[in-house]
Amino acid sequence: AQSVTQLGSHVSVSEGALVLLRCNYSSSVPPYLFWYVQYPNQGLQLLLKYTSAATLVKGINGFEAEFKKSETSFHLTKPSAHMSDAAEYFCAVSGALGSARQLTFGSGTQLTVLP
Amino acid sequence: EAGVTQFPSHSVIEKGQTVTLRCDPISGHDNLYWYRRVMGKEIKFLLHFVKESKQDESGMPNNRFLAERTGGTYSTLKVQPAELEDSGVYFCASSQGGLAGYEQFFGPGTRLTVL
Repeated sequence: AQSVTQLGSHVSVSEGALVLLRCNYSSSVPPYLFWYVQYPNQGLQLLLKYTSAATLVKGINGFEAEFKKSETSFHLTKPSAHMSDAAEYFCAVSGALGSARQLTFGSGTQLTVLP
Repeated sequence: EAGVTQFPSHSVIEKGQTVTLRCDPISGHDNLYWYRRVMGKEIKFLLHFVKESKQDESGMPNNRFLAERTGGTYSTLKVQPAELEDSGVYFCASSQGGLAGYEQFFGPGTRLTVL
């Protein structure tokens, strides 16, 4: 069984400030972890993924996330927020060990970027 | 390459009516998934097709929901009769077969409103 907890349903940061979106997971098997972003009126877009290789994962648009097994965390960061980062972000886990399986999502974090 | 497409983008129906949602996956993707997000909640898995076969339908809420995938290409999700609690955004995703199958590509979703 898997679960994902995203702390903070809404996060606001100033433009240029650090973005930190928190994600903790629970999985009975080694997890695959994902961050997706949803911009208004669009589908979910994959930002980055952890698939048991490097623990620090770099994604698109300057985002990165670090897999910490001891903390069961996969927090998403970006050094400097841009107005275009305003969107909803979802953390997801799959215990698929490489094969196709369902994703279990967190409840999402709405990021607001203030000018 | 075209992404995952879904039709319609919005649907408003009355309680007791029938609605059919359609998903066209990325060409060549064997795996097709349906997910749903009810207002304010997390995105939840409904079912998973591998080609034309249902691999996992553990997330289907009840027998008012019927999913098909004709010839292993597009998929439909029928809700009959619709209830108020069926309102939400229905997402479709697809992924390749084999070891790359963990990476899912999402469509823009269908927003269903049941009045």
